[in-house]
Amino acid sequence: GAGVSQSPSNKVTEKGKDVELRCDPISGHTALYWYRQSLGQGLEFLIYFQGNSAPDKSGLPSDRFSAERTGGSVSTLTIQRTQQEDSAVYLCASSLYTSGDRANYGYTFGSGTRLTVV
Amino acid sequence: RKEVEQDPGPFNVPEGATVAFNCTYSNSASQSFFWYRQDCRKEPKLLMSVYSSGNEDGRFTAQLNRASQYISLLIRDSKLSDSATYLCVVNTQAGTALIFGKGTTLSVSS
Repeated sequence: GAGVSQSPSNKVTEKGKDVELRCDPISGHTALYWYRQSLGQGLEFLIYFQGNSAPDKSGLPSDRFSAERTGGSVSTLTIQRTQQEDSAVYLCASSLYTSGDRANYGYTFGSGTRLTVV
Repeated sequence: RKEVEQDPGPFNVPEGATVAFNCTYSNSASQSFFWYRQDCRKEPKLLMSVYSSGNEDGRFTAQLNRASQYISLLIRDSKLSDSATYLCVVNTQAGTALIFGKGTTLSVSS
């Protein structure tokens, strides 16, 4: 598609339920990133996929969080047993990353999924 | 010490003013630097990359001082449409994710 697509745009869930957030990156972009942004806070890195390499999971806040990227394209972020502190906007970004080519390093973000845990 | 630090502001300026934002980063090995813009309740969008020699894009000028680990963004002749949060962004190492500052809020009034 023309941009990064995320779904759903809004999600309200009860504490303790599992949620799945979806990201469809720009076609051909090899790198995909998940961040979250809590109200009034900066972007917090969660996980990064680059091509067929093992993902960088160093930002995942707990083992309740997991993500996968199937076929090098669509990614799903799963949060199990949601807690109120998980409430945030979850942003996905993709980039056409080529080592040494900084011009293509900029991320394109999706419009995010606003998750509210009640 | 936070990896990327910015003055949160807000900076309130009249139209036509010149305003400068600063940012410091903690990792001296950082390689790539950017400014992103984020409008209220919207996703961040790339404003410009920051190069060692400094670079300009219209009314926007970015500077990098590696020795001081300091990045700046200068906006000349501010417009109402410049009102947004400006995010300082750093990459420590090729192949890793970008690190975002919390942003500086700019409000331009008529």
